[in-house]
Amino acid sequence: SQKIEQNSEALNIQEGKTATLTCNYTNYSPAYLQWYRQDPGRGPVFLLLIRENEKEKRKERLKVTFDTTLKQSLFHITASQPADSATYLCALVPFSGNTPLVFGKGTRLSVIA
Amino acid sequence: DTGVSQNPRHKITKRGQNVTFRCDPISEHNRLYWYRQTLGQGPEFLTYFQNEAQLEKSRLLSDRFSAERPKGSFSTLEIQRTEQGDSAMYLCASSLARYRNYGYTFGSGTRLTVV
Repeated sequence: SQKIEQNSEALNIQEGKTATLTCNYTNYSPAYLQWYRQDPGRGPVFLLLIRENEKEKRKERLKVTFDTTLKQSLFHITASQPADSATYLCALVPFSGNTPLVFGKGTRLSVIA
Repeated sequence: DTGVSQNPRHKITKRGQNVTFRCDPISEHNRLYWYRQTLGQGPEFLTYFQNEAQLEKSRLLSDRFSAERPKGSFSTLEIQRTEQGDSAMYLCASSLARYRNYGYTFGSGTRLTVV
């Protein structure tokens, strides 16, 4: 069956450290993968998109990698701050084309001062 | 344009009643999506439109659910004969089909509680 797994429901880290979140997928061949941030009671907010032919993408303190052989994406937040505390969702387009995004369950990140 | 707007923000209804939610997307976005999210889960796809055409419906969308986007602008999602299992956050998102470098823009959602 097709699955997107974000293998930590919750992650606690110390302020200033690098947070690393993992997204694994099974039985998909995504053209690209996206990461979103969601705060309680709010809709997800788009952060980064990475294509299947890209290994790494950066935006300020955020870095995403995409390994189509391992079927895995890693999402890093460097120099983490308490304001980074939120749920982070991985999402992919199942096939090349215009099919809608499929989301993982998310990882709840808490950055402790 | 201030983003995707959803109304109401909260809705409490009795089991068996009908409810309707509205979504106003970003004006230049031609795609509009409805998702449902329950506590601890990621958003689950329900249906989407390109302009006024409904292009795909999830198997999650029973015949009690109907969505419209009559003029390719705002959309409504109606749930008939609500059940307690319909309690969830209903999220609307929009995007431009031809720009694949950008993600979806989501609204803040409508939280439905069926009592």
